[in-house]
Amino acid sequence: DAGVIQSPRHEVTEMGQEVTLRCKPISGHDYLFWYRQTMMRGLELLIYFNNNVPIDDSGMPEDRFSAKMPNASFSTLKIQPSEPRDSAVYFCASSPRTSGGAAKNIQYFGAGTRLSVL
Amino acid sequence: GQSLEQPSEVTAVEGAIVQINCTYQTSGFYGLSWYQQHDGGAPTFLSYNALDGLEETGRFSSFLSRSDSYGYLLLQELQMKDSASYFCAVKGGATNKLIFGTGTLLAVQP
Repeated sequence: DAGVIQSPRHEVTEMGQEVTLRCKPISGHDYLFWYRQTMMRGLELLIYFNNNVPIDDSGMPEDRFSAKMPNASFSTLKIQPSEPRDSAVYFCASSPRTSGGAAKNIQYFGAGTRLSVL
Repeated sequence: GQSLEQPSEVTAVEGAIVQINCTYQTSGFYGLSWYQQHDGGAPTFLSYNALDGLEETGRFSSFLSRSDSYGYLLLQELQMKDSASYFCAVKGGATNKLIFGTGTLLAVQP
């Protein structure tokens, strides 16, 4: 398997523009997680999905952020409008489930998207 | 709430042994994990402890004491390539979320 695939790897945009980050999880993984990493706040969970359904979006900072998972092999994180404080590395991760249906403790991370909002 | 504490930086020399500690506070506990992240790279899974004791994986070992809400990652025979950030993470409460610590930057010197 190719692992978790994220695109683009780098994104530079201007304040006010819409940004869409993409993620393809590992095939067969039931859970998908979106994280944001900054020096100040570390690795923060934004939202996670189980079987394509958003379960917990309490980490989404504002209404400017939205995430979708239209099918088991694709998810997007959208920021509209973007602001300079959104500059960060955004990671997508996926995880298989246990026999009981919970997410396993091991998460597989993509290479991340480094976002710079000018 | 949930919180984890780990040292911000650790320095060691090649060939040495280093221990990175992690204390946590969670409502409910479903395991302590460790991840490695090289600069600019993706976090990668190293080890996981659900029960008390030591888990060994090659040069890396991880220990957990649930009664002390404490764990550590032990790296032996340090190599230059071990220079990276190391994160502990807990899965607590009735949730599938991992909460990550702030990370420990390990610098291995020749």
